[in-house]
Amino acid sequence: NAGVTQTPKFRILKIGQSMTLQCTQDMNHNYMYWYRQDPGMGLKLIYYSVGAGITDKGEVPNGYNVSRSTTEDFPLRLELAAPSQTSVYFCASSYGFRGQIYGYTFGSGTRLTVV
Amino acid sequence: GENVEQHPSTLSVQEGDSAVIKCTYSDSASNYFPWYKQELGKRPQLIIDIRSNVGEKKDQRIAVTLNKTAKHFSLHITETQPEDSAVYFCAASIRQGAQKLVFGQGTRLTINP
Repeated sequence: NAGVTQTPKFRILKIGQSMTLQCTQDMNHNYMYWYRQDPGMGLKLIYYSVGAGITDKGEVPNGYNVSRSTTEDFPLRLELAAPSQTSVYFCASSYGFRGQIYGYTFGSGTRLTVV
Repeated sequence: GENVEQHPSTLSVQEGDSAVIKCTYSDSASNYFPWYKQELGKRPQLIIDIRSNVGEKKDQRIAVTLNKTAKHFSLHITETQPEDSAVYFCAASIRQGAQKLVFGQGTRLTINP
């Protein structure tokens, strides 16, 4: 099992550019999440998904979009990148069943700088 | 929205001493409370977790206690070692649409040799 795999590991974007952060998991988890972590800060939830075709906003969704066409993949799209989106982005997945979550696992992160 | 408060933000202890980090949560329906350790430039890694039907859990030098009435939980690390130096995050599950974790602000733990 590779767990949660994120690509790329690093990226520099210019203001106004767009990009997609890729996330895939091979644990057959039904729930997937995107977090951002600013320097010296905690993790803030951007978007999450409870299954293929279902997504919902988290705490800080502005400037981002997601899709979940398969159980395995949960890409995060940045449109019109802004310096405020400079951060480390972590994808995570878990198994949700009967009101409990199990195996909450993080990917290795994508360090994004917008200049 | 629901939130998790974590204290202290920094903690410095002598090697061999104990370290305690405390968190409070606001959602009375929270039922899962994990603790993560994050080393510089790495992903958060789960070190211990506890569910709401248990008051205490221990794994070697690490223990977590949960007080559901007061809505707080704590991480205890005994016999600290230099490799325990890292940032520690507590989290609590919330269920708004689906189960997800809300994280505390983190505690930077430094073990002094």
